[in-house]
Amino acid sequence: QVQLQESGPGLVKPSETLSLTCTVSGGSITSSSYYWGWIRQPPGKGLQYIGSLYYSGNTFNDPSLKDRVTLSVDTSKNQFSLRLTSVTAADTAVYYCARRDYGDQVFDFWGQGSLVTVSS
Amino acid sequence: YELTQPPSVSVSPGQTARITCSGEKLGDKYISWYQQKAGQSPVVVLYKDTKRPSGVPERFSGSNSETTATLTISGTQALDEADYYCQAWVSSTAVFGGGTKLTVL
Repeated sequence: QVQLQESGPGLVKPSETLSLTCTVSGGSITSSSYYWGWIRQPPGKGLQYIGSLYYSGNTFNDPSLKDRVTLSVDTSKNQFSLRLTSVTAADTAVYYCARRDYGDQVFDFWGQGSLVTVSS
Repeated sequence: YELTQPPSVSVSPGQTARITCSGEKLGDKYISWYQQKAGQSPVVVLYKDTKRPSGVPERFSGSNSETTATLTISGTQALDEADYYCQAWVSSTAVFGGGTKLTVL
């Protein structure tokens, strides 16, 4: 059974960069059938897609965040990462990493989520 | 592109709950449905409109036609109380509906 675990700072100052890492266990991040994605959820609100990447490095980001988001992968550690620059209070959210089954077009496994608060 | 869901749906235990998701030409896309209980991560309950992952009860079913996809929960149980989100892929971007809070009264 695949498991995903987010890690990173829980508090980020405005204008700084949010960085999170997702560690995948129980499966290889280099599997050809899957992309690896990030989704966030502001407190009390719905789910918002951030982006996905393939182990080769191809990335697909939500247009609304495109210029601020960088996704990367470290196959040697079975991890992938998110960097979000110039954060504001509006970026306060629970950040989830998830596995995207490309063929079935579904996020089939999710991490437990990591709350990131943007505040000075 | 937007997916529109009703903010809330209420149902009595044992009855059928229907949660809709509307969008332009939605029938041309595959829809997934996610269940999110309070304080937990989302869990997929349907994908490709009608397919249930292993472990999801048969009471969860789905349909998708023209502009509306529907998640149907037959014989709703108290443990089905949760937020439900529909999701589609549009130009390689995942779009989520705003979510529907299902209350089992």
